[in-house]
Amino acid sequence: NAGVTQTPKFQVLKTGQSMTLQCAQDMNHNSMYWYRQDPGMGLRLIYYSASEGTTDKGEVPNGYNVSRLNKREFSLRLESAAPSQTSVYFCASSSLGDMAYEQYFGPGTRLTVT
Amino acid sequence: AQKITQTQPGMFVQEKEAVTLDCTYDTSDQSYGLFWYKQPSSGEMIFLIYQGSYDEQNATEGRYSLNFQKARKSANLVISASQLGDSAMYFCAMRGWNTGKLIFGQGTTLQVKP
Repeated sequence: NAGVTQTPKFQVLKTGQSMTLQCAQDMNHNSMYWYRQDPGMGLRLIYYSASEGTTDKGEVPNGYNVSRLNKREFSLRLESAAPSQTSVYFCASSSLGDMAYEQYFGPGTRLTVT
Repeated sequence: AQKITQTQPGMFVQEKEAVTLDCTYDTSDQSYGLFWYKQPSSGEMIFLIYQGSYDEQNATEGRYSLNFQKARKSANLVISASQLGDSAMYFCAMRGWNTGKLIFGQGTTLQVKP
């Protein structure tokens, strides 16, 4: 199993450009999440999808959109990138139904907006 | 609202000694889960240990144990017999009962000295 995969690993954008971060999991998990990690800080939830067909805002959703394409894939879109969106982006997945299920994280995408 | 607080930005420990990383939390949920993750310099998020709010015993996983004091709302991570490979950032996180969302603390950087 590959677990959680993210593409791309690195990306540099100019202010105003758009891009989509891709995430896929092969663990048959119901729930998927997008986080951002700024230097010296913990992870903050951008959006999540508790199950296929549903998406909800997290702590810092402004400037982002998401699509739960199917059970495996959850994408994050930046419509008009801003320097404040320079960060490392992590996708994660988890089962629901048992509090003990941990989230499995992808390797991250390092995004720089100039 | 849920909140996780890690008050130690950085810690040093001598190799082979034990170290405690502090975590306090705030929630109005009766049922919740507490997690610790390790983030080495390579950037990936590695799950270490889980404690459920109704678990009577403190969780242990190899050299990791979680000192859970529910009345004080603390969930400290204890690493015994520290190794050089333990040098990393450590995050405490909390999960509410009805969603899979994780709320993270700001992290503690641990450096193990030879």
